[in-house]
Amino acid sequence: GAGVSQSPSNKVTEKGKDVELRCDPISGHTALYWYRQSLGQGLEFLIYFQGNSAPDKSGLPSDRFSAERTGGSVSTLTIQRTQQEDSAVYLCASSQPAGLDSWGSYNEQFFGPGTRLTVL
Amino acid sequence: LAKTTQPISMDSYEGQEVNITCSHNNIATNDYITWYQQFPSQGPRFIIQGYKTKVTNEVASLFIPADRKSSTLSLPRVSLSDTAVYYCLVSGGFKTIFGAGTRLFVKA
Repeated sequence: GAGVSQSPSNKVTEKGKDVELRCDPISGHTALYWYRQSLGQGLEFLIYFQGNSAPDKSGLPSDRFSAERTGGSVSTLTIQRTQQEDSAVYLCASSQPAGLDSWGSYNEQFFGPGTRLTVL
Repeated sequence: LAKTTQPISMDSYEGQEVNITCSHNNIATNDYITWYQQFPSQGPRFIIQGYKTKVTNEVASLFIPADRKSSTLSLPRVSLSDTAVYYCLVSGGFKTIFGAGTRLFVKA
């Protein structure tokens, strides 16, 4: 079946412009996650959704970052007034409901290919 | 959230067994240990998850001692295609913290 898809795959923008990054999760996955990965670094957790709700937004780096999810499916990460330090790969993942599964373990996250954002 | 510590990099040769150890001294009672693999220009991919003792699947084994303060990912007979970054995560809920990972380089 189809995996997690993200668009665009690459985005080059000028400092100060707004950008929108899109994530299409695997059908039926109610949990959706956004991460940021700078060159050669690990993944930085940004936000997660359970359905359309984001219980914890504390991972967002600043108030220029926002995310929404509608219909329990597609999610959009918006960065306003982009800065050069926002340049990174933005990864989206989805999973079955966040938390313990029926086996008592935590659900595997399935990642998309990412969007590479370059702010000039 | 428990912090994890892994070696920054490791080298190996094709056909060898590779063991990557992760320290997580502050692991909580309800935390699970999960390992992901990431190839360049791709998102991470789940490898294995465990809570205690030993877990084995078709690609790897995970060894967790009784105190759960560390874990070891074991990759049997690695090949060139196993060259990747391996992340150890400790998670008790939705918030998943990836460390810097271990960069494994497999040589011919």
